[in-house]
Amino acid sequence: GAGVSQSPSNKVTEKGKDVELRCDPISGHTALYWYRQSLGQGLEFLIYFQGNSAPDKSGLPSDRFSAERTGGSVSTLTIQRTQQEDSAVYLCASSSQGATNEKLFFGSGTQLSVL
Amino acid sequence: GENVEQHPSTLSVQEGDSAVIKCTYSDSASNYFPWYKQELGKRPQLIIDIRSNVGEKKDQRIAVTLNKTAKHFSLHITETQPEDSAVYFCAASEIGPERFGAGTRLTVKP
Repeated sequence: GAGVSQSPSNKVTEKGKDVELRCDPISGHTALYWYRQSLGQGLEFLIYFQGNSAPDKSGLPSDRFSAERTGGSVSTLTIQRTQQEDSAVYLCASSSQGATNEKLFFGSGTQLSVL
Repeated sequence: GENVEQHPSTLSVQEGDSAVIKCTYSDSASNYFPWYKQELGKRPQLIIDIRSNVGEKKDQRIAVTLNKTAKHFSLHITETQPEDSAVYFCAASEIGPERFGAGTRLTVKP
């Protein structure tokens, strides 16, 4: 595709439900990142995938959050037993990172609202 | 891990004036310093980046300076225009996830 694609663009759920957010990175990009942006706030790192290496999960805020990346391409971020404080925009990004970091290309995000 | 601090949190300038945003980082191993612009309701987009082997980089009205000794870098926007109004984020990294500053909301008044 032409850019990073995220779905759904908006998700409204009830407290306690599980949600899955999807990210389709730019073809050929080996690195994939998930960030969270609360209203009017900065970009909080969640998790990072690079090639076949073990993911860097150091940013996940609790064990209710998990992510996987299948076949080195599409990634799914899962939030179990959602809480109201999980409400935010979840941004996915990809890059062609090799031996050095490269610019991130962001998706348009998933706006998650937990009622 | 890397910790990036960004100042100011808000900045208001008159059209045509210059704007400067400053960031400091904690990890001396960091060697990549990008700046992203996020317009209201849109995704962040890279506007300029610098690597640790240079001290300054310029692209038209935008420039970034890096002081590795002091571990700080700055974004300079000259001749500001209303369309420069946005939130600007700095970031620092070596290899792996970029850690972002908290952002600066720039308002350019016509």
